[in-house]
Amino acid sequence: AQSVSQHNHHVILSEAASLELGCNYSYGGTVNLFWYVQYPGQHLQLLLKYFSGDPLVKGIKGFEAEFIKSKFSFNLRKPSVQWSDTAEYFCAVNERATGRRALTFGSGTRLQVQP
Amino acid sequence: DADVTQTPRNRITKTGKRIMLECSQTKGHDRMYWYRQDPGLGLRLIYYSFDVKDINKGEISDGYSVSRQAQAKFSLSLESAIPNQTALYFCATSDFVTDTQYFGPGTRLTVL
Repeated sequence: AQSVSQHNHHVILSEAASLELGCNYSYGGTVNLFWYVQYPGQHLQLLLKYFSGDPLVKGIKGFEAEFIKSKFSFNLRKPSVQWSDTAEYFCAVNERATGRRALTFGSGTRLQVQP
Repeated sequence: DADVTQTPRNRITKTGKRIMLECSQTKGHDRMYWYRQDPGLGLRLIYYSFDVKDINKGEISDGYSVSRQAQAKFSLSLESAIPNQTALYFCATSDFVTDTQYFGPGTRLTVL
């Protein structure tokens, strides 16, 4: 079974600092990759996704992620964070080869941006 | 996303009670999912359904059952609730074309 690892559980940054959140997955086949964000008290929203093509994917609110197949990684980046980016971030994967489209999630990274 | 709604939003119940959580969507998607979220564990899949006649167990289906009453409705039941089912429950939908899941606002369930 596939698994998703997010090694940073809690990250604290000052405004304008750069952000990189790690995500690694275990599945060796073809996958779709996602980053979701959950703002305090809200439901999950899609930040960006990668299915194929350019491994550098741009999402909403200035976020981007890079798929590195050889490293089984899909790290999320933002050059300059804002206080409003305070949220929990989840990496997720699903398998393209099977009919199953349910997501496997990482445990999440809580980002706290200090003004 | 207002297109995916969940009721109730909050529920406190006692051990042994039967509970039903409901999910409705207006996105016209065939695929629906139930996840639970626990602190430090992310979201874990309980059940999923690709259409009204197709129901599949997820990784943590024990103690839960589901019903897909229509394309737009997918209910999750706890036949006899226990305290370790205290969690935040999310419903999600997706379509075949975009393969992107859209989440409801969640139901916070507390089992005493």
